[in-house]
Amino acid sequence: AQTVTQSQPEMSVQEAETVTLSCTYDTSESDYYLFWYKQPPSRQMILVIRQEAYKQQNATENRFSVNFQKAAKSFSLKISDSQLGDAAMYFCAYYDYKLSFGAGTTVTVRA
Amino acid sequence: EAEVAQSPRYKITEKSQAVAFWCDPISGHATLYWYRQILGQGPELLVQFQDESVVDDSQLPKDRFSAERLKGVDSTLKIQPAELGDSAMYLCASSLDRTYQETQYFGPGTRLLVL
Repeated sequence: AQTVTQSQPEMSVQEAETVTLSCTYDTSESDYYLFWYKQPPSRQMILVIRQEAYKQQNATENRFSVNFQKAAKSFSLKISDSQLGDAAMYFCAYYDYKLSFGAGTTVTVRA
Repeated sequence: EAEVAQSPRYKITEKSQAVAFWCDPISGHATLYWYRQILGQGPELLVQFQDESVVDDSQLPKDRFSAERLKGVDSTLKIQPAELGDSAMYLCASSLDRTYQETQYFGPGTRLLVL
């Protein structure tokens, strides 16, 4: 089974500031996908961003960007210009034939 | 925008009782997934359907859990009998198909509490 590790149980950020969430994974595959999902309190999980392992360019979606380091098996998420609506649990996930999730990082945004 | 529907949203039951959860995926999505999410943890795949066929149920506790997707559309997950350790959020997700490229869309989940 693939292992996804999120070493930060909680992160706090001031509104309009930047926060970076860490994720590492373990795999022997060369072709796979990585995702960040957001799960707001009492709301459904939604996709934030995804990265194809064969692409060297880091994915970006508006204020969300990733730093994908394939050799280091690292996949961090940067949230820029943090907004109150960004408060949620964030899950890193690895996909080759199924999604394997990390334990999550709770992000709180201070007004 | 189309969404994955789940019901009920909340369920409280006593141990040894039977419970059932329902999921209606986004129209046209061939692949359907059931996940279990224990509080404070990430979701774990229980079962995956491609149309009406099970393609992965390796993590499904088959002595008490069952899942079906008879017509390849909506799906039911059943637990009989429920145990205290089954208390969790049960998430349903769907995707167009099972290839890498397809994003999984999640429903709001059913939160189960077993007393």
